[in-house]
Amino acid sequence: RKEVEQDPGPFNVPEGATVAFNCTYSNSASQSFFWYRQDCRKEPKLLMSVYSSGNEDGRFTAQLNRASQYISLLIRDSKLSDSATYLCVVSPGPGGYNKLIFGAGTRLAVHP
Amino acid sequence: ETGVTQTPRHLVMGMTNKKSLKCEQHLGHNAMYWYKQSAKKPLELMFVYSLEERVENNSVPSRFSPECPNSSHLFLHLHTLQPEDSALYLCASSQTGEWGGAKNIQYFGAGTRLSVL
Repeated sequence: RKEVEQDPGPFNVPEGATVAFNCTYSNSASQSFFWYRQDCRKEPKLLMSVYSSGNEDGRFTAQLNRASQYISLLIRDSKLSDSATYLCVVSPGPGGYNKLIFGAGTRLAVHP
Repeated sequence: ETGVTQTPRHLVMGMTNKKSLKCEQHLGHNAMYWYKQSAKKPLELMFVYSLEERVENNSVPSRFSPECPNSSHLFLHLHTLQPEDSALYLCASSQTGEWGGAKNIQYFGAGTRLSVL
């Protein structure tokens, strides 16, 4: 079983649509959770951290369910500029350095 | 810009060449990472340096040799590579020793796209 699993997509949605991505992780002791965004042929960039209580940043909402080991990202009112690959990222916890485990990513294509 | 600079951005090399990738971070971080990203695969962690000491080496072939002369610079020396080593090589940095939430975020450079002929 992969440590972090994501639906690879692609998700093809029209502008203005709401789209949700899911992610599961295998290590129940994982401590921190993130969504990164990676544009085509560019480096990953942090989109948002994910907190147990759920958190929102503008059109983006992230949720964490520790019991089910499940993370989600909801994008409302999709824009063309949201087209990218979204990486689910999990950190196992303190251990001398900040280890991150990356999912393979979910590709989103927003069309006019 | 993220404060992590990688050079060169693109590299084409033959299997018998020796080349080096360079990474420099201007964020005052004390940990640096090398990742490999192949098409349709997750980022693979190759090496980690924390406080200039190598703390992880994920079964990477010896044809890849990292060097961390100080906390701001990281190199990846390449020799006798294989075509399957063609990939995007990403460097990242973070501030280790501070745990919790946003403190363990890694910041990435733009990467070196490597093609081995």
